[in-house]
Amino acid sequence: NAGVTQTPKFQVLKTGQSMTLQCAQDMNHNSMYWYRQDPGMGLRLIYYSASEGTTDKGEVPNGYNVSRLNKREFSLRLESAAPSQTSVYFCASSDRVWSTDTQYFGPGTRLTVL
Amino acid sequence: EDKVVQSPLSLVVHEGDTVTLNCSYEVTNFRSLLWYKQEKKAPTFLFMLTSSGIEKKSGRLSSILDKKELFSILNITATQTGDSAVYLCAHQGGSEKLVFGKGTKLTVNP
Repeated sequence: NAGVTQTPKFQVLKTGQSMTLQCAQDMNHNSMYWYRQDPGMGLRLIYYSASEGTTDKGEVPNGYNVSRLNKREFSLRLESAAPSQTSVYFCASSDRVWSTDTQYFGPGTRLTVL
Repeated sequence: EDKVVQSPLSLVVHEGDTVTLNCSYEVTNFRSLLWYKQEKKAPTFLFMLTSSGIEKKSGRLSSILDKKELFSILNITATQTGDSAVYLCAHQGGSEKLVFGKGTKLTVNP
């Protein structure tokens, strides 16, 4: 039982490049989330998916797109990376959206955009 | 707009000290308040406080929720170096979005 996994762990991009961050969970959770964390800041929600086939914007969605590929996988895409997107990205999952159940976090992807 | 304010932003103590971390919040239709511990990587869950559970304890850690005054505290007694981490507070309100504070960085020196 791996929980929430993310790939890659680290990535360096040049401005304008694109990439997709992958996230998978094996806990049969319905809901999945993408957050970013900047130095001295808490976690800020980018997008979330309440269930397979649905996605919704969070607090800071601009510059990102998401795909809920199936119940297990939720990817985050940067179409044209900008230095302001340098951050640590966390994926999380929970049994159902905004339930009082715990959200379980992946190990994070550290992204640097030059 | 819902928000969470944590204080202090950073704290340095010696092993054996007791610390109190603060979290105040403004939220419409309060549902829950959560505490997480983050040690370099992913946040790990500590406590969830709701209207039906305003006090939680696990070992040396405890937390209370004051719904009237809109704050929560996380207490750690007999601190150890392994308690060094960033402690995040988050609330869930009527907007159904989990809102995090900026965190308190705790450093416990031997």
